[in-house]
Amino acid sequence: KNQVEQSPQSLIILEGKNCTLQCNYTVSPFSNLRWYKQDTGRGPVSLTIMTFSENTKSNGRYTATLDADTKQSSLHITASQLSDSASYICVVNTGFQKLVFGTGTRLLVSP
Amino acid sequence: DVKVTQSSRYLVKRTGEKVFLECVQDMDHENMFWYRQDPGLGLRLIYFSYDVKMKEKGDIPEGYSVSREKKERFSLILESASTNQTSMYLCASSSHLYGTYEQYFGPGTRLTVT
Repeated sequence: KNQVEQSPQSLIILEGKNCTLQCNYTVSPFSNLRWYKQDTGRGPVSLTIMTFSENTKSNGRYTATLDADTKQSSLHITASQLSDSASYICVVNTGFQKLVFGTGTRLLVSP
Repeated sequence: DVKVTQSSRYLVKRTGEKVFLECVQDMDHENMFWYRQDPGLGLRLIYFSYDVKMKEKGDIPEGYSVSREKKERFSLILESASTNQTSMYLCASSSHLYGTYEQYFGPGTRLTVT
């Protein structure tokens, strides 16, 4: 069964600190992996999309990594800001826009 | 910027009512999607459409139907709403089905069925 698991479920960090969110997947076939940010009560917004051959991709203070051999990805947030408080969702595309969603990590950045 | 809009942010309906959720995108995308999002379950695909009047079932189509009469508009219909359809409903659109093309999401409609 295709699955995307994220850890931790929730996280609280102090403003200005860094954090790393984890994603493990057992999905086949694999087309690409995406990280989305979802503010409370809003739709998800894409942060990065990585294909099989890409190891790292950055979007400002967000850096995603992908290890296709171990089927793991991480999202690293640098110098966190209060506006980073949101849910972060890892998504694997099996092709044909068939997306398998993780349940997300809820991040709270505290002042 | 791609804009995906949904007709209501919040909706409260009674059991047995027929419910229409509307989604409009302004980027001439071929493909549109309806998802529901429940705590602890992640987003699940209900239906998608790859062209006007074309539709495909997703993972959880039971109790739902869809309509796509115009390219920019995709409607989700709950024929007879039930309490287990209380959820957040998200619409998305995409220009292509293959590759790394984005899915752009609307703001969501939080539906409560009482």
